[in-house]
Amino acid sequence: DVKVTQSSRYLVKRTGEKVFLECVQDMDHENMFWYRQDPGLGLRLIYFSYDVKMKEKGDIPEGYSVSREKKERFSLILESASTNQTSMYLCASIGPVDRQNTEAFFGQGTRLTVV
Amino acid sequence: AQKVTQAQTEISVVEKEDVTLDCVYETRDTTYYLFWYKQPPSGELVFLIRRNSFDEQNEISGRYSWNFQKSTSSFNFTITASQVVDSAVYFCALSGVITGNQFYFGTGTSLTVIP
Repeated sequence: DVKVTQSSRYLVKRTGEKVFLECVQDMDHENMFWYRQDPGLGLRLIYFSYDVKMKEKGDIPEGYSVSREKKERFSLILESASTNQTSMYLCASIGPVDRQNTEAFFGQGTRLTVV
Repeated sequence: AQKVTQAQTEISVVEKEDVTLDCVYETRDTTYYLFWYKQPPSGELVFLIRRNSFDEQNEISGRYSWNFQKSTSSFNFTITASQVVDSAVYFCALSGVITGNQFYFGTGTSLTVIP
């Protein structure tokens, strides 16, 4: 029944490290998203992808990049981790929104701490 | 612009009380979709309901009910006879045709049900 899987639940990284957060979905969705969740700020969109090798910036892309080499996998990359990137990261996979019963499926989240 | 506002940051109720979570949205889409998600302490977002802009019928699912009013751009969520297991953060979200498949989330309402 698992639909969206994020590679880690908890990560602790050092400032300056390059960090990879992986997300895999098994629903053959074209659309995948990365959000970060911070108290009082809700979910903010970092990057999204409509197709393989396609990426679009969301509302807060600074300090992040993404990779979508295969349809089922969408990776978020922190080029040089900083303490202000300590957060909960959520991956979502979404089918065509105008199709009946389309919803966003979320992974379990990765809580990243940068020290 | 697409925007979702959940003005209630935190709510506490005593078990068996009814509680309503407010959601107000802004969109320039004529066709759009509204969602509610629940985020329990485990972290994963759980889909509760989807509504499209052409369907203003209220919906009831067990103890949960939703009131969609286009005239006031609101999509409120009521839990009847609340239970401790209802304690979670609840997010309202909006997706529209113009913005493709992007989901815009509110900042969430943290509900605590006290035994």
